[in-house]
Amino acid sequence: KAGVTQTPRYLIKTRGQQVTLSCSPISGHRSVSWYQQTPGQGLQFLFEYFSETQRNKGNFPGRFSGRQFSNSRSEMNVSTLELGDSALYLCASSLEGGGAQHFGDGTRLSIL
Amino acid sequence: GENVEQHPSTLSVQEGDSAVIKCTYSDSASNYFPWYKQELGKRPQLIIDIRSNVGEKKDQRIAVTLNKTAKHFSLHITETQPEDSAVYFCAASNINNDMRFGAGTRLTVKP
Repeated sequence: KAGVTQTPRYLIKTRGQQVTLSCSPISGHRSVSWYQQTPGQGLQFLFEYFSETQRNKGNFPGRFSGRQFSNSRSEMNVSTLELGDSALYLCASSLEGGGAQHFGDGTRLSIL
Repeated sequence: GENVEQHPSTLSVQEGDSAVIKCTYSDSASNYFPWYKQELGKRPQLIIDIRSNVGEKKDQRIAVTLNKTAKHFSLHITETQPEDSAVYFCAASNINNDMRFGAGTRLTVKP
């Protein structure tokens, strides 16, 4: 069974631009969560989608948004990029919720 | 929302010694507590988890204990090896999969 796939692996953008990241969950998994990881900050929860609906949300500004499609694939969008948005963005999928999450390799976003 | 605190932030042990990492959580509705290991440049990997109806779980050299009353849980690694060196994250999740992570512990096992 294929694991969680994130694309692209690396991305370089400039301030003010917007970016879309993609996550394909493990087949059969309906829940997709997104996290921002920066050195010394651990894994900061962005949001979680289940059956195309945002079920949980972390404390990030509205510039961070996401969606989930009927095949459970999810996208995350960040608008008006800031230097502080440079980070590794990880997505994780799980079957339904309240259980083990499986992570992708992440997208490393660099803002110049 | 849930708040998870993890200690210590760094831990250095001699090969063969034990390592203990502790976490506390705030949401009494949390019922699932996983531990993840992240090696440098790699994705976090689930190493052990425990549910709120169990007090302790063991898998070879790794064990997790949970004290629901005190809202804390701990990871115990015995007979540590250099390949155990990594960053370890605890997490707490409720039934709606609202999972929050601790800040991580960087474990170094010296040969």
